[in-house]
Amino acid sequence: DAGITQSPRHKVTETGTPVTLRCHQTENHRYMYWYRQDPGHGLRLIHYSYGVKDTDKGEVSDGYSVSRSKTEDFLLTLESATSSQTSVYFCAISDARTGYEQYFGPGTRLTVT
Amino acid sequence: AQSVTQLGSHVSVSEGALVLLRCNYSSSVPPYLFWYVQYPNQGLQLLLKYTTGATLVKGINGFEAEFKKSETSFHLTKPSAHMSDAAEYFCAVSLSNAGGTSYGKLTFGQGTILTVHP
Repeated sequence: DAGITQSPRHKVTETGTPVTLRCHQTENHRYMYWYRQDPGHGLRLIHYSYGVKDTDKGEVSDGYSVSRSKTEDFLLTLESATSSQTSVYFCAISDARTGYEQYFGPGTRLTVT
Repeated sequence: AQSVTQLGSHVSVSEGALVLLRCNYSSSVPPYLFWYVQYPNQGLQLLLKYTTGATLVKGINGFEAEFKKSETSFHLTKPSAHMSDAAEYFCAVSLSNAGGTSYGKLTFGQGTILTVHP
């Protein structure tokens, strides 16, 4: 299995508080992605990174920000959590060396009350 | 822009029966196509992928899929279902210029939950 970890794995937070989710990889892959998974919607891309300090918005980026200060870590921040951000969040990595296949982390279940 | 449609949010089969999960895509350039499987409370695992070459692609656990450009389809099949195949399956598309501005981004379908009855 690809070396991808996510922390925390579960979190309950209150509306209006900031939350940061961490994705850590040990594969030295160039590309990293954050998705959210909601029933009936599949996975939707929030933000992605194509290198250190190089990030861009995905399909559902409103209310989220990201940072990547080193190759192995990609942080997702909910600036002021809302109930609509209750979801399961997945991090993924890919690289040209592996044909751009995406490898997924175990996910973080976030509940905003 | 690309999009993916999975026909049927739930599919139910008997153990030993054929599994057929349908996926249609749209893409402005030749696509890369993927099927992923997700077991409960786990991340996604790659089943198989099509990039170039042979249009019939074989994956893990006895699954295969055929890329049909004329039908813009990439349906997933397995000749004989097993109880352990019960999971949610996702079709995804990526632009083939993955090293360029697409950055390997995937667009996913809505998912199909496969139930296998004894």
